[in-house]
Amino acid sequence: DAKTTQPNSMESNEEEPVHLPCNHSTISGTDYIHWYRQLPSQGPEYVIHGLTSNVNNRMASLAIAEDRKSSTLILHRATLRDAAVYYCIRRNAGGTSYGKLTFGQGTILTVHP
Amino acid sequence: DVKVTQSSRYLVKRTGEKVFLECVQDMDHENMFWYRQDPGLGLRLIYFSYDVKMKEKGDIPEGYSVSREKKERFSLILESASTNQTSMYLCASTTRAGNNSPLHFGNGTRLTVT
Repeated sequence: DAKTTQPNSMESNEEEPVHLPCNHSTISGTDYIHWYRQLPSQGPEYVIHGLTSNVNNRMASLAIAEDRKSSTLILHRATLRDAAVYYCIRRNAGGTSYGKLTFGQGTILTVHP
Repeated sequence: DVKVTQSSRYLVKRTGEKVFLECVQDMDHENMFWYRQDPGLGLRLIYFSYDVKMKEKGDIPEGYSVSREKKERFSLILESASTNQTSMYLCASTTRAGNNSPLHFGNGTRLTVT
């Protein structure tokens, strides 16, 4: 797993959408984009992942650029519980990585009431 | 829901003590991991295991060892604790079925070495 670039911090208001960007300009064809988040005093939790197409689940949406050099995690209506550190991670789907992940510094999301 | 349980939430040990951090998962996962998390350095992989009795070094294995005698349990051992091992330790597990299987983390053990 190799590096991604994220802003150090972002702020949002409650019930507004949040777009968290991630740059991965050297991504290879077999790398997936994974997002995790870490709430205060908890371990990281999986949010979503994708390869080329946009993905949706109950927690968030993931929009991946056509050239795959960047992606955006979208929280459609931020709540106070979404305040966390969000990590964008490149993950190679091949080889024998055994699932290990390399975490960067992530983006600290602050949500204002 | 997968549960990854770390035996202690907080631990205080003295320099030179042997320290055991225990982690148990209840989903029959093959792969287990130990990370440490420090301010400004993020999460760093110490060791991982892909099967019983199998282990691989991560990025920062020095000063640590691990044990995986049973599939559900992965122990991190500090042979002789030092103050620079004061940190948050996080255990995780995932199934072998596909490299995109999500990692499931415990809530961490905050270790202080005095």
